[in-house]
Amino acid sequence: GQNIDQPTEMTATEGAIVQINCTYQTSGFNGLFWYQQHAGEAPTFLSYNVLDGLEEKGRFSSFLSRSKGYSYLLLKELQMKDSASYLCAVRSRNSGNTPLVFGKGTRLSVIA
Amino acid sequence: NAGVTQTPKFQVLKTGQSMTLQCAQDMNHEYMSWYRQDPGMGLRLIHYSVGAGITDQGEVPNGYNVSRSTTEDFPLRLLSAAPSQTSVYFCASRSTSGHYNEQFFGPGTRLTVL
Repeated sequence: GQNIDQPTEMTATEGAIVQINCTYQTSGFNGLFWYQQHAGEAPTFLSYNVLDGLEEKGRFSSFLSRSKGYSYLLLKELQMKDSASYLCAVRSRNSGNTPLVFGKGTRLSVIA
Repeated sequence: NAGVTQTPKFQVLKTGQSMTLQCAQDMNHEYMSWYRQDPGMGLRLIHYSVGAGITDQGEVPNGYNVSRSTTEDFPLRLLSAAPSQTSVYFCASRSTSGHYNEQFFGPGTRLTVL
């Protein structure tokens, strides 16, 4: 079976740093993705990790530990526009044909 | 490029009616998929396709049919709509070559079944 867990909701202050965690148990592993989804819109790609460590992209960073089945998305210098849901997704096999399995998402509210 | 397009944007059906949700992509992607998104449930995979003529079931396939006659199009058919199928439906596509394959989503179809 496959299981991906994320917190349901988080609140953070404008200008602060927030870390959104994701844990996964899957029958295999070949990549973890983070997506951002604003209310009423489609998900958009944020980051991809397949090896252990930190991937940095501007204000957003994503970390992966394969041995712990754990990832986090770090958002720095929070802005009001960062209020959105953040979806963690895992690809379980090394094939371009493998579907992505998504967690239920974390709804982040950024307050002034 | 238009990317992934979906029609209609909104639809209201009565129980028992049938309809087809359209999805098209102009990126020559081999892989296409359909998800539904319900409050508190996240994105759940309905069906997917790895190329023309090839389809497979996802996590929640019951009540839905798909076909893939061309690379560009991947329609989702509801044979006899039920209130439990009220949801937001997203189509997605990606390339299957290479290791890193960003998945692109369409804007979604918001379906209500009365």
